[in-house]
Amino acid sequence: QVQLVESGGGLVKPGGSLRLSCVASGFTFSNYYMSWIRQDPGEGLEWVSFISASGSTTYVADSLKGRFTISRDNAKNSVYLQMDSLRADDTAVYFCARDAGPYSRIEYWGRGTMVTVSS
Amino acid sequence: DIQMTQSPASLSASVGDRVTITCRASQGISNSLAWYQQKPGKAPELLLYDASRLDSGVPSRFSGSGSGTDYTLTITSLQPEDFGTYFCQHYYSTPKTFGQGTKVEVK
Repeated sequence: QVQLVESGGGLVKPGGSLRLSCVASGFTFSNYYMSWIRQDPGEGLEWVSFISASGSTTYVADSLKGRFTISRDNAKNSVYLQMDSLRADDTAVYFCARDAGPYSRIEYWGRGTMVTVSS
Repeated sequence: DIQMTQSPASLSASVGDRVTITCRASQGISNSLAWYQQKPGKAPELLLYDASRLDSGVPSRFSGSGSGTDYTLTITSLQPEDFGTYFCQHYYSTPKTFGQGTKVEVK
């Protein structure tokens, strides 16, 4: 079955960096677009970024451009989210997700990893 | 960016009730809409996509309808396990924004 397992969350000071990882199993990873979505403590969902199956195309939400970078390693069945210059309002649960396509639904979600930005 | 306005923010209904949640897009999204259910402490799960297509394994009491900018999720006979928060999401363009969510309580 499809499994997505995130890691790399934790407590970081404002201005710091974190790299989130997501390891996928149960499907042919290199065939699918992957996304990151976050959920703030107030429980609103915000779509953060996606990356194409090959990794050649990426999209990051405008509000996060310049600070967040998505990448993938198909040999390791992994997708990553590099987060720099972190701010308090980046505090959220970050979910890794498998997309049905570039302009399509999210089919599967990971369980999420918590990121807390606080001094 | 396309904004998604979901209503109501919360509702409380009894077992067997018909429940309707609406989602309005700030521009037409050509049925490029999904609905997700999230239970406390868990990740969201896909219920419907393309506005009205039921995901595999989702009970038939869930249905979706709409077109253009206005979409609806209906639960025809609410069950105890249907508690949680429901989100809509468009995928017509990037960013693929979500509605604010509707918290459903089963009395």
